[in-house]
Amino acid sequence: AQKITQTQPGMFVQEKEAVTLDCTYDTSDQSYGLFWYKQPSSGEMIFLIYQGSYDEQNATEGRYSLNFQKARKSANLVISASQLGDSAMYFCAMREGRTSYGKLTFGQGTILTVHP
Amino acid sequence: NAGVTQTPKFQVLKTGQSMTLQCAQDMNHNSMYWYRQDPGMGLRLIYYSASEGTTDKGEVPNGYNVSRLNKREFSLRLESAAPSQTSVYFCASKRPLGQGPEKLFFGSGTQLSVL
Repeated sequence: AQKITQTQPGMFVQEKEAVTLDCTYDTSDQSYGLFWYKQPSSGEMIFLIYQGSYDEQNATEGRYSLNFQKARKSANLVISASQLGDSAMYFCAMREGRTSYGKLTFGQGTILTVHP
Repeated sequence: NAGVTQTPKFQVLKTGQSMTLQCAQDMNHNSMYWYRQDPGMGLRLIYYSASEGTTDKGEVPNGYNVSRLNKREFSLRLESAAPSQTSVYFCASKRPLGQGPEKLFFGSGTQLSVL
């Protein structure tokens, strides 16, 4: 079974609107971490946001927020007020367990295109 | 700070050739990683090093070897390159616990083509 599933190969959004990128995960560990990374066309991996499994509040970083629904095992990324520069590939990733030394398992990604 | 530096940025090899991808970080991180990214896919872990002197296999280790030369440097070697190893390779290091939110820092990647 896939550990990280991103069901949206591509998403389109109008500039200044909000968009939600879906991510579901599968783990039997109680302790885990969830991450979102952005990969623009230049290829670098840019960290956006992190949510720990024991964090009670949803993580937020500027225009990015993570909608964490533990019972549903989902960790959707919400981008508010989309900008043209948000057009990129977005990856959801998970670190399982306390002693996994930060090993991340990545989803297949969602390509986001922001239209003017 | 340079962060995580990878060399080279691009490389073309012929089948059977060998090469080493170099990675260095200047953030005093203990843990380092090598990932590969194939077209249209997420990153997959090749090898990782939890600390200086230790290395372990990840999800796709076949055809690769690694060396954690010191705390700063973690190299990836292809002994006999195959077309299936055509990919983009990323090195990363992890910020230790207690120094801010958990985070992997990535290098800019190496685009490798094996003909």
